[in-house]
Amino acid sequence: EVQLLESGGGLVQPGGSLRLSCAASGFIFSKSDMNWVRQAPGKGLEWVSRISGSGDRTYYVDSVKGRFTISRDNSKNTVYLQMNSLRAEDTAVYYCAGVWRWGQGTLVTVSS
Amino acid sequence: DIQMTQSPSSLSASVGDRVTITCRASQGISNYLAWYQQRPEKAPKSLIYDTSSLQSGVPSRFSGSGSGTDFTLTISSLQPEDFATYYCQQYSNYPHTFGQGTNLEIK
Repeated sequence: EVQLLESGGGLVQPGGSLRLSCAASGFIFSKSDMNWVRQAPGKGLEWVSRISGSGDRTYYVDSVKGRFTISRDNSKNTVYLQMNSLRAEDTAVYYCAGVWRWGQGTLVTVSS
Repeated sequence: DIQMTQSPSSLSASVGDRVTITCRASQGISNYLAWYQQRPEKAPKSLIYDTSSLQSGVPSRFSGSGSGTDFTLTISSLQPEDFATYYCQQYSNYPHTFGQGTNLEIK
């Protein structure tokens, strides 16, 4: 059974940093592209970033380019999202998604 | 960026009804379109990929069609558990944009 388990969310001040993790199981992780998708409170879904199975290709939505970095450790079946220079508008539930499955999400709140 | 526009934004229907949700892309995306269902306070669930391929375990009352710029999600006979918000997403070009969502409510 495919499982995706996010962690690392929390409350952070504007300008701060946070690293999200997503532990995957139940599929061949190293061969699977992985995504981060976010959902601001009461809003729709927004695709944030994607990384190839080998980790050599990464993609971002313009609003996070230069601030967020996606990476993965295939030895740990884990994908990460390093978020720097956080803004209030980054407040959202962040979902890890891959092989057409979604994690339960982790809430990031950017507030002073 | 490719803009995805869903219609309607909200829809009221009854159990047993047939409903159709439309998704229009601002430029051609071939068949690189997916549909997701999100129940309140839950993570999204993948329903359909590549426009018309049903995810494993998804009931056959769900179907997808279209190509190019115009796509539809059809639920042939609404069940109580189908009342939720539905999103389309294109994965032809980066960023992989979503539609704004369609809220399907009980009439």
